[in-house]
Amino acid sequence: EAGVVQSPRYKIIEKKQPVAFWCNPISGHNTLYWYRQNLGQGPELLIRYENEEAVDDSQLPKDRFSAERLKGVDSTLKIQPAELGDSAVYLCASSTRPTETQYFGPGTRLLVL
Amino acid sequence: GQQLNQSPQSMFIQEGEDVSMNCTSSSIFNTWLWYKQDPGEGPVLLIALYKAGELTSNGRLTAQFGITRKDSFLNISASIPSDVGIYFCAGRGGSNYKLTFGKGTLLTVNP
Repeated sequence: EAGVVQSPRYKIIEKKQPVAFWCNPISGHNTLYWYRQNLGQGPELLIRYENEEAVDDSQLPKDRFSAERLKGVDSTLKIQPAELGDSAVYLCASSTRPTETQYFGPGTRLLVL
Repeated sequence: GQQLNQSPQSMFIQEGEDVSMNCTSSSIFNTWLWYKQDPGEGPVLLIALYKAGELTSNGRLTAQFGITRKDSFLNISASIPSDVGIYFCAGRGGSNYKLTFGKGTLLTVNP
């Protein structure tokens, strides 16, 4: 069974530029999560989707971050415009009932210059 | 908010030694998870614990869900060089799916 797929794996951009990350969850997993992991820290939740509905986006900085999961499968996380402090690893995870145990993708490493 | 204290922050051990790390929480959790993260990769699930007092093994790894539901430990027996990495504990409470992560334990194994 394929795991969570993310792309790109690495991205380097200049500040004020837009950037987008893509995630394909494990097949059959209805719940999808986006996390941000700063250097030396554990991941922190940005947004959680149940199918196509964002059910928890309380930690998403909505002035510059947006996400979508239009057909309840793949998801895209966007930052516009990017700031220096956005440099981090952006992780996608997915889960399913009954345990909702979360499985992570390899992440996208973002560097904002 | 919920906070997890994970210790130790780092460990340097010799190949063949046993390792123990733990996490404590200010809140009760219903699920404890242990992940390992290699450089440039995402966290990989090692062990999931769903009941207080549960003791679960995965090869050389053993983890327990504390009976107070506020702590968990992970043991690695007979360490090998490929055990090197960062180990994270994560807890989940109530009906909230949100995972709270510790800051990780960096394990270095000298061959």
